[in-house]
Amino acid sequence: KAGVTQTPRYLIKTRGQQVTLSCSPISGHRSVSWYQQTPGQGLQFLFEYFSETQRNKGNFPGRFSGRQFSNSRSEMNVSTLELGDSALYLCASSYIPRDRANTEAFFGQGTRLTVV
Amino acid sequence: SQQGEEDPQALSIQEGENATMNCSYKTSINNLQWYRQNSGRGLVHLILIRSNEREKHSGRLRVTLDTSKKSSSLLITASRAADTASYFCAPGGNEKLTFGTGTRLTIIP
Repeated sequence: KAGVTQTPRYLIKTRGQQVTLSCSPISGHRSVSWYQQTPGQGLQFLFEYFSETQRNKGNFPGRFSGRQFSNSRSEMNVSTLELGDSALYLCASSYIPRDRANTEAFFGQGTRLTVV
Repeated sequence: SQQGEEDPQALSIQEGENATMNCSYKTSINNLQWYRQNSGRGLVHLILIRSNEREKHSGRLRVTLDTSKKSSSLLITASRAADTASYFCAPGGNEKLTFGTGTRLTIIP
């Protein structure tokens, strides 16, 4: 079974630009979560989508948004980029059982975004 | 969901020795998971222990859970250079996982 695929792997953008990152989950997984990882703040939860609906959201400004398509693929968008947005962005997919408990997350390799 | 706190923040041991790291959390959980992250890569799921379990093994990994103390430990036996990584715990039980700052483990050859 193919793993979680994130594209692109590396990205360099200029302040003020916007960026879109993509995540293809494992086949059959309908939950996709996004995380931002920086040396200073660690691994922070951005949001989670399930069946095209955002179910959970972290404490990030509105410049960070996402969506999920009917095939469970997800994109996240960051508008008006700031230097502080430079980070490793990780996507994770999960199979959610009926009781919604004991869900293991499978992570992609991440997208390394550098804002200059 | 809640964030776990891993301890110590960093740990260096000789290859072949055992490594123990701990995780504390604040509220009741359905399960607790441990993940490993090699530098600059995605996280890899190691083990999940349910709230009604006290100990679980997977290869060289041993995880314990003490719900009365709201803590868990991860033991890696007979460490190898390839175990060098950051280790994170994720207490909770639903689909929203949150992580602490992790324990940075360095295995010295």
